[in-house]
Amino acid sequence: AQSVTQPDIHITVSEGASLELRCNYSYGATPYLFWYVQSPGQGLQLLLKYFSGDTLVQGIKGFEAEFKRSQSSFNLRKPSVHWSDAAEYFCAVGAGNNDMRFGAGTRLTVKP
Amino acid sequence: GAVVSQHPSRVICKSGTSVKIECRSLDFQATTMFWYRQFPKQSLMLMATSNEGSKATYEQGVEKDKFLINHASLTLSTLTVTSAHPEDSSFYICSARGATGGFSSYNEQFFGPGTRLTVL
Repeated sequence: AQSVTQPDIHITVSEGASLELRCNYSYGATPYLFWYVQSPGQGLQLLLKYFSGDTLVQGIKGFEAEFKRSQSSFNLRKPSVHWSDAAEYFCAVGAGNNDMRFGAGTRLTVKP
Repeated sequence: GAVVSQHPSRVICKSGTSVKIECRSLDFQATTMFWYRQFPKQSLMLMATSNEGSKATYEQGVEKDKFLINHASLTLSTLTVTSAHPEDSSFYICSARGATGGFSSYNEQFFGPGTRLTVL
């Protein structure tokens, strides 16, 4: 079965600084990879997804992620963080049977 | 993108009562719906998978007699928490998957906004 690891439970960055959230997955076949953002008390919003093709994926709100098969990683990046980006971020992997597993999440705090 | 709604968004009930949560796909037919629960500051944990017209498949450790799932139509699934207790208080999120074009063999799940259940 597939699994996802988000090594960082909590990250704090200054507004305007760059951001990288790490995600590693374990899955024997081609993974379907997702990043979601969740504000407190809210549902999930899809930031971006990778199914196939170009390994650098652009998403909404200025986020991008790069799929690196050799490292089993799908790290999320943003060049300049805004205060409104403070939230919980979840990486998820979908399997061919459409089962989806989520990482533990990374909480992002943005300092003014 | 496809839209999934949940109702209610928030519910408070007394211990021992039953609560029904609805999950609807608004603009597509959902052949499969998924129910997740999320405890505070934790990730989403899959509870069960339901296919329209058939019994739900529950994840290990999830009591099927306590969490009743009905997926009677292609646009509606319900989760009923029977005889709710304070430990059932959680954030319940559904997702729906339908036949979409353009994605090889994987049909993306679309998530609802969640339902906050508080059992007193």
